[in-house]
Amino acid sequence: GQSLEQPSEVTAVEGAIVQINCTYQTSGFYGLSWYQQHDGGAPTFLSYNALDGLEETGRFSSFLSRSDSYGYLLLQELQMKDSASYFCAVFNDYKLSFGAGTTVTVRA
Amino acid sequence: NAGVMQNPRHLVRRRGQEARLRCSPMKGHSHVYWYRQLPEEGLKFMVYLQKENIIDESGMPKERFSAEFPKEGPSILRIQQVVRGDSAAYFCASSPSGGGADTQYFGPGTRLTVL
Repeated sequence: GQSLEQPSEVTAVEGAIVQINCTYQTSGFYGLSWYQQHDGGAPTFLSYNALDGLEETGRFSSFLSRSDSYGYLLLQELQMKDSASYFCAVFNDYKLSFGAGTTVTVRA
Repeated sequence: NAGVMQNPRHLVRRRGQEARLRCSPMKGHSHVYWYRQLPEEGLKFMVYLQKENIIDESGMPKERFSAEFPKEGPSILRIQQVVRGDSAAYFCASSPSGGGADTQYFGPGTRLTVL
């Protein structure tokens, strides 16, 4: 089966940097994805790491260490609109297995 | 290019009724996935379909739940004799092909409430 652990919530101020860690235990692994979800709306794809290392996309970066079964999502220059839930998800062949999500609250 | 479409967006049913949830994948996508999300939880995989084929239904309850993706028309998730525990948000995602690093694009979801 799949097991993913991520913090339940994080609060930070505008302009700050937030790192959301994700550790996983899985019977199969192609890569680690990150999704953003606002108020129960459609999950929106943010990033995908299949290989070790850092992937940078604008203000968001994602890191993966396959040997440590660990990844993180880095949110930089936080904005109010970044207040949302963030999910890590293990991609195994065709199936996404999601963590319980991290609620990020950005304060002015 | 329209995204993944789901309807209805909100559905209210009484216990024992049937619920039908529809999903139209993005244009050019032939792979559909259904996920269920309970409050304060992540999405849980239910079923993966290609046109006219169920590839993996390992996440779907054995009874009362069924899914199809016909040659023509949307994918349908059907829940018979709904119970209160079926109340959840049901999301559909689509991709152009299965496996590998394809990104799954999610629809807005159907929020099912069972009274």
